Amino acid sequence: EPEVTQTPSHQVTQMGQEVILRCVPISNHLYFYWYRQILGQKVEFLVSFYNNEISEKSEIFDDQFSVERPDGSNFTLKIRSTKLEDSAMYFCASSEGTGLYTNQPQHFGDGTRLSIL
Amino acid sequence: RKEVEQDPGPFNVPEGATVAFNCTYSNSASQSFFWYRQDCRKEPKLLMSVYSSGNEDGRFTAQLNRASQYISLLIRDSKLSDSATYLCVVIAYGGSQGNLIFGKGTKLSVKP
Repeated sequence: EPEVTQTPSHQVTQMGQEVILRCVPISNHLYFYWYRQILGQKVEFLVSFYNNEISEKSEIFDDQFSVERPDGSNFTLKIRSTKLEDSAMYFCASSEGTGLYTNQPQHFGDGTRLSIL
Repeated sequence: RKEVEQDPGPFNVPEGATVAFNCTYSNSASQSFFWYRQDCRKEPKLLMSVYSSGNEDGRFTAQLNRASQYISLLIRDSKLSDSATYLCVVIAYGGSQGNLIFGKGTKLSVKP
């Protein structure tokens, strides 16, 4: 079964450093997402992406965050100057459709655990 | 008011038990509904979509009540492998792309 893959599985970074999290969505999917989950809390939406543009972003996704699809397969999340509170599990997801009216689900990668020291 | 609220849990049940989870959502324009399960420190995995007429997948039955803005999940004949956190998830109308809104989840522990 095709799956979303994320690298690295664990990233440890000093506060203030830049970090790039990488994702390879399922190949025929067109819609991409990033979510995060702080330990012990719920999964929170960060950003959605379609046709090389951000479709929607949450208030968490401030100027320190950016996303890119640099080639036909990768989808990256960059945090420019990391803060302690950025420590979380970051999940990439992809879907074939938007899910708004079709119940097409989003499929999640197994996440990158980001630890800011 | 929280967008998606779930039973706080945890639910501790013996193998073979029937267990029900409830969920309410605040946005009446919500269009799509799902149950995901999440194992400890793992990614959310789709368990099932929830349709207006209710739907069943083996031991799992999901119900949706739009008037009450209420979703349920019933698990029959619980297995040890059902132990996980069950996440109620909705997609709300108004977004250009269906970003998921998660509940905090209800933890289920099935004991031998």
